[in-house]
Amino acid sequence: GDSVTQMEGPVTLSEEAFLTINCTYTATGYPSLFWYVQYPGEGLQLLLKATKADDKGSNKGFEATYRKETTSFHLEKGSVQVSDSAVYFCALRSPRGNFNKFYFGSGTKLNVKP
Amino acid sequence: SQTIHQWPATLVQPVGSPLSLECTVEGTSNPNLYWYRQAAGRGLQLLFYSVGIGQISSEVPQNLSASRPQDRQFILSSKKLLLSDSGFYLCAWSGLAGVEQYFGPGTRLTVT
Repeated sequence: GDSVTQMEGPVTLSEEAFLTINCTYTATGYPSLFWYVQYPGEGLQLLLKATKADDKGSNKGFEATYRKETTSFHLEKGSVQVSDSAVYFCALRSPRGNFNKFYFGSGTKLNVKP
Repeated sequence: SQTIHQWPATLVQPVGSPLSLECTVEGTSNPNLYWYRQAAGRGLQLLFYSVGIGQISSEVPQNLSASRPQDRQFILSSKKLLLSDSGFYLCAWSGLAGVEQYFGPGTRLTVT
């Protein structure tokens, strides 16, 4: 079945460091891929998305490229800030007729130290 | 624009008491609706989803039930809460035309 695997955390970085959070997926067909961010005590917010192979999603300095050949969608940011501290979830959408089913990774907690 | 509301934001209930959590969506029609539970420090577990009024599908057997009495209203219920029902409950919606899913602010449930 469809699934998403992402690197376990927590990931601890100093401010202005480079960030990579790995995400790989298993899916039939051509899923859409997403990164969500969750701040403490809040719901998930859509960070970026990509709907087809080789698409690059980007938002707020974060980027991820849909790599079909490696079934990956790694999240990157060139220079993290303390305010980026949160839990990041990789997800895929698997459409099934009139229903969209979403599969989420287990989440990666990012701690950014000043 | 679309907005999703959940209430209450926090809830403390004794074991054996009933539960009702409500979710409403504004600004869209005929959305897919979802209930997820997130245990502390864990990922998301899909509990229920709905493709239309009165149409509910359950992903896991459990002590909870869901209902969709109106197009943009989704309710999570229990007749008797268990300690294991504690967690962070998230409602979400997606449109048939769009590809992404949008989440509400969540309800923190503590069963004592």
